Amino acid sequence: GQQLNQSPQSMFIQEGEDVSMNCTSSSIFNTWLWYKQDPGEGPVLLIALYKAGELTSNGRLTAQFGITRKDSFLNISASIPSDVGIYFCAGSNFGNEKLTFGTGTRLTIIP
Amino acid sequence: NAGVTQTPKFRVLKTGQSMTLLCAQDMNHEYMYWYRQDPGMGLRLIHYSVGEGTTAKGEVPDGYNVSRLKKQNFLLGLESAAPSQTSVYFCASSYWGKGYEQYFGPGTRLTVT
Repeated sequence: GQQLNQSPQSMFIQEGEDVSMNCTSSSIFNTWLWYKQDPGEGPVLLIALYKAGELTSNGRLTAQFGITRKDSFLNISASIPSDVGIYFCAGSNFGNEKLTFGTGTRLTIIP
Repeated sequence: NAGVTQTPKFRVLKTGQSMTLLCAQDMNHEYMYWYRQDPGMGLRLIHYSVGEGTTAKGEVPDGYNVSRLKKQNFLLGLESAAPSQTSVYFCASSYWGKGYEQYFGPGTRLTVT
């Protein structure tokens, strides 16, 4: 099936650092999403992107919908301990009730 | 408002046993989904439903069955469990036309020995 590849697979950073991660697809999507999964919980939607080239922010998080529609990027500024978790990208197309999820980026903050 | 709930939270099965996982949502969502999460594999869709009485296969449906007899409930069944079905199972739901905005339950950790 369709695969979304996320990189990096894991990140170990210090509190206060900025974080960048990305997601690439072999095919285009009309909507890109970023979800976060806290340890022991289900994923929660962070940001939704609907237009190629769109840049959207949610607090310290900024995400971009790639021009080619085959990629997306997520940045977290000034990381804090509650940012720990797994970040998933996901793609969707109009009229399609399903999501395709990426493989995830695990973020760990080193004390 | 409980959102999406899953029962049970943990379960250990022996190979060949059967079980049913229950998902319930109180948001009046039309769409419901079952995913499995394995290390390094992300979330993979098992089955989904776009309304009461309808179900469809996802990416990895083999070995699972589902039923949606009531709008608020979505059941996932394993008829003959295999070790390869050891995983964390998540249920999710969303409004009609907003399948991208899914609300997830807390997950069920299943181990098959």
